[in-house]
Amino acid sequence: GNSVTQMEGPVTLSEEAFLTINCTYTATGYPSLFWYVQYPGEGLQLLLKATKADDKGSNKGFEATYRKETTSFHLEKGSVQVSDSAVYFCALSEGYSGAGSYQLTFGKGTKLSVIP
Amino acid sequence: SQTIHQWPATLVQPVGSPLSLECTVEGTSNPNLYWYRQAAGRGLQLLFYSVGIGQISSEVPQNLSASRPQDRQFILSSKKLLLSDSGFYLCAVEGAHSYNEQFFGPGTRLTVL
Repeated sequence: GNSVTQMEGPVTLSEEAFLTINCTYTATGYPSLFWYVQYPGEGLQLLLKATKADDKGSNKGFEATYRKETTSFHLEKGSVQVSDSAVYFCALSEGYSGAGSYQLTFGKGTKLSVIP
Repeated sequence: SQTIHQWPATLVQPVGSPLSLECTVEGTSNPNLYWYRQAAGRGLQLLFYSVGIGQISSEVPQNLSASRPQDRQFILSSKKLLLSDSGFYLCAVEGAHSYNEQFFGPGTRLTVL
């Protein structure tokens, strides 16, 4: 079956530091890959996505590149801010599940804390 | 654009009591809907999904159930809550134009005492 593995948190960084959150996946086909962000007390928001190999998703200064050869989708940001403190989830969708839906498989999440 | 409402926002219930959480969606028709639970330190667990009125698929066995009485309404229920049912419950809708994306509601924080 499909699976997503994220680096264990929590991750604590100083403001303006460089961020990397590792994500690797296992899938039988050619999945789409996502990063979701969850701010304290809120639901999940889609941060960025990539639908095929070598695609780069980007949003709000965050980037992730779909690497098929290493089955990875690492999240990066060059200079984090306090407002980036949140839990980040890597996820994949392998498309139509055959039951009328497109199901997502999530990693366990990585908590990021940015201190001034 | 799609909007997802969940209520209540927070709930504290005793063990053995019933549960009803509601999710409603605006801005789309015939959506695929999902219930997830987020327990502390365990990531997101898919509980149920629905592709239409009265159609429910269960992903994990548990004492929870789901129903879809209307096109844009998805309800999560239990007859008798357990301590292990505590968590953050999220409703999600599949994107109307990007089928493999999901958009999440604000969630319900359930504490079972």
